[in-house]
This record gives sequence, C-alpha cells and structure tokens, in this order.
Amino acid sequence: EVQLLESGGGLVQPGGSLRLSCAASGFTFSSHAMGWVRQAPGKGLEWVSSIGGSGDPTYYADSVKGRFTISRDNSKNTLFLQMNSLRPEDTAVYYCARDRQHGLDFDYWGQGTLVTASS
Amino acid sequence: EIVLTQSPATLSLSPAEKATLSCRASQRLTTSLAWYQQKPGQAPRLLIYDASNRATGVPDRFSGSGSGTDFTLTISSLEPEDFAVYYCQQRTSRGPWTFGQGTKVELK
Repeated sequence: EVQLLESGGGLVQPGGSLRLSCAASGFTFSSHAMGWVRQAPGKGLEWVSSIGGSGDPTYYADSVKGRFTISRDNSKNTLFLQMNSLRPEDTAVYYCARDRQHGLDFDYWGQGTLVTASS
Repeated sequence: EIVLTQSPATLSLSPAEKATLSCRASQRLTTSLAWYQQKPGQAPRLLIYDASNRATGVPDRFSGSGSGTDFTLTISSLEPEDFAVYYCQQRTSRGPWTFGQGTKVELK
C-alpha cells in the first residue's frame, strides 16, 4: 500500500524557515517523480514544486522560486521541501504527492502538514 | 501559463441526480487533463487522468470526456459520498502544473 506521511509543519514568523519532510513507503520511491502542492485556508489547490526520480530536474512555481528548495533522499525514501523567507501568504496545508507517470498528474497524496507564517 | 476555468462554482443537486462539471483551458491542451475529488479535511484523490481514464478504485459512475480546450467530468447518479469539491488539473511539457479553482457539489 502506497503511503506518504508529511511532517515538519508549524508556526513560524514571517522571514523564517521550515523544512518539510515526506516519508514514502509501499512503492519504489526512486522510480517516481514527486511534488508538493499547497492549499491556503478555504482556498483551492496550488502546485508548489516537483522533482524527478533521481533528483533532477526540479521545477518551482513562480511564487516560491528562489525561496523554496525541493530535494529527495532515495536511500531513505524521503522527500523534502526547504522553505526560507516565509511570507504570510505561504500559510497553507502542504501536501506531498506522487507523480503518476511522465510528470503529468498525481496519483497518491499524503494527509498534509500545516504551515503558518504569522507574527 | 495555461489557466483552467471551472464552472459552475457551485452545483446544488440531490442524490441520484446527474452532475456535469466543466473545465475550460485558456489554450489548447497537448497533454492530459486530470480530475480530483476533495472532501473536507482530506487530501485530494485522483479520479480521472488523461481526460477519460478512471484511476484505480474509482466507481464507474464517474466519467471524463473532452479534448482541446473543453473538458467535462460527469457523475451519472450522485451518491451521498460524492458531495465534495472537484478540481481539474493540467501540465504542459516542461511547464507548471495548474489547477482550476474548483467546483463544489453540494446537497440541495
């Protein structure tokens, strides 16, 4: 059974940093690209970043480019999102998601972790 | 960047009724379109990929159709568990992944 479990969310002051993790199990992690999608309170879904199975290529939404860094450790079946210079508008539930194939859509999602950037 | 516009924003229906949700792209899509279902407090769930293929475990009352710029998700006969928000999503070659703003299917 495919499982994705996010952690690392919390309350951070604007300008601060957080590192999210996503522990994957139930599939060959290195064979799948992965992504992060966020959802601000009461709002829709927004894609944040994606990474290829081997760690390359990486893609970012314009809204986070230069502030967020996606990475992965295939030996530990773990996906990361390093978030720096956080802004109030980054407040959202962050979901880890598995790419189905060819970088088109996401077939499995974690339960999400809440990030709140507020003073 | 391709923009996806979903309509209507809210659909008020009763169980056993048919639901028809629309997703229109600002440019012709050369790759696939997907549909997701999201219930309150839950993660999204992939329903349809490549515009018309049901994901694993998705009941056959859900169907997707369309190509080019106009796509439709149809729920043939609403069950109580189908009342939720539905999102369409696309990604063009090497471009960003984008979602529509969502359609809420609510109990009339």
